[in-house]
Amino acid sequence: NAGVTQTPKFRILKIGQSMTLQCAQDMNHNYMYWYRQDPGMGLKLIYYSVGAGITDKGEVPNGYNVSRSTTEDFPLRLELAAPSQTSVYFCASSYAREQFFGPGTRLTVL
Amino acid sequence: AQTVTQSQPEMSVQEAETVTLSCTYDTSESDYYLFWYKQPPSRQMILVIRQEAYKQQNATENRFSVNFQKAAKSFSLKISDSQLGDAAMYFCAYRSVTGTASKLTFGTGTRLQVTL
Repeated sequence: NAGVTQTPKFRILKIGQSMTLQCAQDMNHNYMYWYRQDPGMGLKLIYYSVGAGITDKGEVPNGYNVSRSTTEDFPLRLELAAPSQTSVYFCASSYAREQFFGPGTRLTVL
Repeated sequence: AQTVTQSQPEMSVQEAETVTLSCTYDTSESDYYLFWYKQPPSRQMILVIRQEAYKQQNATENRFSVNFQKAAKSFSLKISDSQLGDAAMYFCAYRSVTGTASKLTFGTGTRLQVTL
């Protein structure tokens, strides 16, 4: 099992550009999540999904969109990137009690 | 909404000594889960230990144990016989058992340094 994989590992964007952060899991988990981690802070939930075709907003959803067309994939879309979106982004998946995290994507918006 | 507070931004411990990291939380729920995650410089989030609120017994995983005080809403992590590899950020997290999404609420973290 690869677990939770994220691509890319690093990315620099210019203000106003768009991009998609990819996340995939091979554990057949129904629940998937996107978090962001700002420097010196804990993780904050952006969006989550309880199954294919079902997504919902977390604590900090503004500026992001998600889709969940399959159980395995949960991409995060940034439209019109802003410096405030400079952060490390983590994808996670879950069964009943434990969340498994991907290695993260470090995004810088200049 | 639930909140998780870690009041120690940084802690330091000598190798082979014991250190305790503090965490408090606020909730109106009676049943929930609490977690400690370790984040080394590699950024990977690693689950250290889990506690179910309905269990009175404190969870233990090798050198890691918790002191769970439900009435005080306190959940501290004790690391015994500290090793250099324990140096990392440690995050306390809360998860409700109600609802369907198993979402986690994190504290701001404690950076643990381990010295020789």
